[in-house]
Amino acid sequence: GEDVEQSLFLSVREGDSSVINCTYTDSSSTYLYWYKQEPGAGLQLLTYIFSNMDMKQDQRLTVLLNKKDKHLSLRIADTQTGDSAIYFCAERNTDKLIFGTGTRLQVFP
Amino acid sequence: GAGVSQSPSNKVTEKGKDVELRCDPISGHTALYWYRQSLGQGLEFLIYFQGNSAPDKSGLPSDRFSAERTGGSVSTLTIQRTQQEDSAVYLCASTKGLLPSPLHFGNGTRLTVT
Repeated sequence: GEDVEQSLFLSVREGDSSVINCTYTDSSSTYLYWYKQEPGAGLQLLTYIFSNMDMKQDQRLTVLLNKKDKHLSLRIADTQTGDSAIYFCAERNTDKLIFGTGTRLQVFP
Repeated sequence: GAGVSQSPSNKVTEKGKDVELRCDPISGHTALYWYRQSLGQGLEFLIYFQGNSAPDKSGLPSDRFSAERTGGSVSTLTIQRTQQEDSAVYLCASTKGLLPSPLHFGNGTRLTVT
C-alpha cells in the first residue's frame, strides 16, 4: 500500500545543517517532492526530484534519493530561524500526491 | 495573480450539522485537490478533480463526504451530519495540468465540530 513516513521533530542550531529524512513504499513513484508549511498557511513547494536522479541541488537545499532503499532526504545548509516550519515529503501516485506526516523543524539561536 | 482561496478560514459547528467548504482555485488551473490535515496525521488525500470530473475520490472517508466542482473552477466540499472526528484543517490545492506541475495550496479551512 501507500505509506510515506517521516520523523516528527528535528531541532537544530542556527547556522548548522538540517537533514530531514523520509521513506516511501511505492517503488513505481516517478516524482518525489518536498513541501514546506509555515504556521497558519498552506503548503509551499520547495523542490521535487525525478526518480531517475540521485541528487538535486537548489541553493541551500540538497535532495538525495536512494531508490533501492526508498529513502529521500532534504538537507538545508546554513539553517536560519526562518526555516522553522513543517516539512512534508510526498510521492506521486498516479495523479495525486501521497504526503508523509511532516517533520517539524525548530531552529534555535 | 491571486492564489488559491478557501472560505471560511475557520468554521465551528455542532455535531450533526452539515457544513460546506469552498475553494476558489487559481484561474486557469484545471486540476483541483482536497486534502485533510489532522493533528499528527499528515495530509490525507480526499478527492481530486480534472475539470468538473472526479477521476479519483478514493480518499473520501464516508458517504457523509461529497464534493463537486462547477464551471471548471470553484469546488465545494460538503460534510453532512458532522462528527467530532471530522475536526481538521481542510486544504485545497490546484495545478495547471497534471503532475508533476506543482500543487498550489490555499491556507485551508479549520473545521471544529463541538
